[in-house]
Amino acid sequence: GQSLEQPSEVTAVEGAIVQINCTYQTSGFYGLSWYQQHDGGAPTFLSYNALDGLEETGRFSSFLSRSDSYGYLLLQELQMKDSASYFCAPSQLDNYGQNFVFGPGTRLSVLP
Amino acid sequence: DVKVTQSSRYLVKRTGEKVFLECVQDMDHENMFWYRQDPGLGLRLIYFSYDVKMKEKGDIPEGYSVSREKKERFSLILESASTNQTSMYLCASALVGRGGSYNEQFFGPGTRLTVL
Repeated sequence: GQSLEQPSEVTAVEGAIVQINCTYQTSGFYGLSWYQQHDGGAPTFLSYNALDGLEETGRFSSFLSRSDSYGYLLLQELQMKDSASYFCAPSQLDNYGQNFVFGPGTRLSVLP
Repeated sequence: DVKVTQSSRYLVKRTGEKVFLECVQDMDHENMFWYRQDPGLGLRLIYFSYDVKMKEKGDIPEGYSVSREKKERFSLILESASTNQTSMYLCASALVGRGGSYNEQFFGPGTRLTVL
């Protein structure tokens, strides 16, 4: 079966660092993606980890540990505009290619 | 920039009506997807297509069908709309790389469908 867990809500203040954890159980696991979605907007791609370790893109970093079925998204120097929902999406490879399973999302609120 | 467009931003239909949701992408992507998004449930995959005229069921295909006659266009069809299909519908596309893999999906703005 498949399961996916991430916190439903996280609150932090401007300038702080926040880590959003994601644990998953996905058959045929291939990689882990993160998406950001502002209220009323479409999800937009943030990062993808195929290998263990940390990937850094500006203020955002994403980490994957395949042996622990665990990943996290790290947001540094938080800004008000980072208030959004963040989805982790483990991917699985099957006969038709790669498909992603989206979690319920973590709603991040950044306070002044 | 990749652009994924959806035919309507908001749609109101009556129970039993046939509903067509259209999605067009302009970047020659092989894979296209339809998701629905409901509060607390994240995005759930309805159908996907990895080539013209090819379609595969996702996690929640019941009550839906799809059509992909051209590479750039992927349509979601609700044969007989019901109130439990009231939701936000998101289309996405992806450029497939080596071995059928890809890193990023590009999403359209979504269609908020209300079925009365």
